[in-house]
Amino acid sequence: EAQVTQNPRYLITVTGKKLTVTCSQNMNHEYMSWYRQDPGLGLRQIYYSMNVEVTDKGDVPEGYKVSRKEKRNFPLILESPSPNQTSLYFCASSFGDRGRVGYTFGSGTRLTVV
Amino acid sequence: GNSVTQMEGPVTLSEEAFLTINCTYTATGYPSLFWYVQYPGEGLQLLLKATKADDKGSNKGFEATYRKETTSFHLEKGSVQVSDSAVYFCALKSSEKLVFGKGTKLTVNP
Repeated sequence: EAQVTQNPRYLITVTGKKLTVTCSQNMNHEYMSWYRQDPGLGLRQIYYSMNVEVTDKGDVPEGYKVSRKEKRNFPLILESPSPNQTSLYFCASSFGDRGRVGYTFGSGTRLTVV
Repeated sequence: GNSVTQMEGPVTLSEEAFLTINCTYTATGYPSLFWYVQYPGEGLQLLLKATKADDKGSNKGFEATYRKETTSFHLEKGSVQVSDSAVYFCALKSSEKLVFGKGTKLTVNP
């Protein structure tokens, strides 16, 4: 089944403890991206990647890192999480057609930083 | 910059009622337009899309027409079902990202 898989689905952590949210897709998509969803703010892009070793900042990159060493994986790294990073996170992917056919989203990771 | 404005919810309807969720956009050029749906506890799923003016996207009884003269992409369904209860997001493709509206929560009662 074609899908984007995120892990974990739920995570509670403490301020300052480094964490990684994994994202993997099995569709050979070139493009991958991370979004966060917050009440009243909708979805905002954190980082995106056009292909292996090509990443760039989205609208809200502060406090996050990403890497794209393999085409299928695009992990989101929080080096020192803070409570304002408590959010629902989504990974998405698409073919390199500039997104005209839409993105495939993962099921989400609900992160709580205390 | 590019933006999407959609009607605020929540919207509550009875089964078999007609649904309209308004969406307007601001953008340079003619971006691709999308409606995504998010069921409780799940990720976003592409519901329908339109890539150029006057295109009509349709899926599962939902429709939306790309209107460049009114910069709109309103979502409609003739007869909603309880299973349509979800949050609906209008979005446009802008550069290397999707720009989303804030979402409209729909509840359909039996």
